Amino acid sequence: QSALTQPASVSGSPGQSITISCTGTSSDVGGYNYVSWYQQHPGKAPKLMIYEVSNRPSGVSNRFSGSKSGNTASLTISGLQAEDEADYYCSSYTSSSTLEAVFGGGTKLTVL
Amino acid sequence: QVQLQESGPGLVKPSETLSLTCAVSGYSISSGYYWGWIRQPPGKGLEWIGSIYHSGSTYYNPSLKSRVTISVDTSKNQFSLKLSSVTAADTAVYYCARLNIVVVVFDPWGQGTLVTVSS
Repeated sequence: QSALTQPASVSGSPGQSITISCTGTSSDVGGYNYVSWYQQHPGKAPKLMIYEVSNRPSGVSNRFSGSKSGNTASLTISGLQAEDEADYYCSSYTSSSTLEAVFGGGTKLTVL
Repeated sequence: QVQLQESGPGLVKPSETLSLTCAVSGYSISSGYYWGWIRQPPGKGLEWIGSIYHSGSTYYNPSLKSRVTISVDTSKNQFSLKLSSVTAADTAVYYCARLNIVVVVFDPWGQGTLVTVSS
């Protein structure tokens, strides 16, 4: 069982917007602004898309945005494109133990 | 451009020790950052295994701590993972990544290497 809870799947049509949630506790998502999001295409390594809740690394499309409210972080993808179809994982710092980082279980995004 | 590349046996027998190395290019490990290992069982999510600093300081996932050893070789600009007493549950793609421990961000990642535990 993953420490952070994500929906197993979401879907949307090209051009639409979708949001993926990531729910934790006050010991991780809710307590710190250290939430990251990773995109993973089949057979590929994860790629950093968002860090510190809402920051985009250089080269990542501005169609990707992040936010947080309480113990839940969210990744929003606007103007969906076929290439966005992938698995998405959230990650957060946690103070619950010596564990540095916890991941969500992942969300499969399908572009219809 | 920082690049990481995992290497090691793709097949390990049950009860033996899994050993992997991550070679880093384009950045000196001694310059900073932590360096970490993450794994992903087939069809499942990501699990952080542990991380190391160039000084040798380590953090391990408590659930794996008793079986994991991560070491660093700054002269070769690489770091390594050893996981002992493996079972089929340790079958996974193993990734290495650079870790910004201040904001807990893994970036970049290696391409990953599949390790299968089977007799």
